[in-house]
Amino acid sequence: IQLTQSPSSLSASVGDRVTITCRASQGIANYVAWYQQKPGKAPKLLIYAASTLQSGVPSRFSGSGSGTDFSLSISSLQPEDFATYYCQQLNSYPFSFGPGTKVDI
Amino acid sequence: EVQLVESGGGLVQPGRSLRLSCAASGFTFEDYAMHWVRQAPGKGLEWVSGIRWSSGSIGYADSVKGRFTISRDNAKNSLYLEMNSLRPEDTALYYCAKDKGAGYFDYWGQGTLVTVSS
Repeated sequence: IQLTQSPSSLSASVGDRVTITCRASQGIANYVAWYQQKPGKAPKLLIYAASTLQSGVPSRFSGSGSGTDFSLSISSLQPEDFATYYCQQLNSYPFSFGPGTKVDI
Repeated sequence: EVQLVESGGGLVQPGRSLRLSCAASGFTFEDYAMHWVRQAPGKGLEWVSGIRWSSGSIGYADSVKGRFTISRDNAKNSLYLEMNSLRPEDTALYYCAKDKGAGYFDYWGQGTLVTVSS
């Protein structure tokens, strides 16, 4: 299963609302996760089951979608949110990640 | 506190083998599936392989199938990745990740770097 993300990169300001989309090449129900990765760090799980917020993740992050189209939104971008975001499908082996969306200032 | 510590990376010539290890602590290792994810320098994440708690279900990315073997030793709280016939395109930082259930990776190690070059 192939995942595409759009945009591949975006520039935004603190306080902006940002939305990243992820599209799967076939239906995957809600078996999608979103991760945040900062330079030199391991990825961090933000959202699982397409829309469930991982414990400890700020509520400004939200996820939605099912089937083939998914999105990650950040309601009010904070300085610590500048990073690269990846979607992941886990409908079945082999799992796969999207190519990533870099969010910068 | 959950900790995942990878080891075994290094510089290896094309065609040779390498074995990665991941030492887990802070949770009941045998209850969770585990995975390897890699990231080539400056590139995105690539899922490599996963193994269920009982070793009864194992999966591989097409890019490593037939060359890499994942295994686990629940008595030693350890995950392994045996990598054979290494290629330059296998050069990457290899992460070990804990599966919280259904394939969501809630904890990651800091990675071990594998460089395949002559």
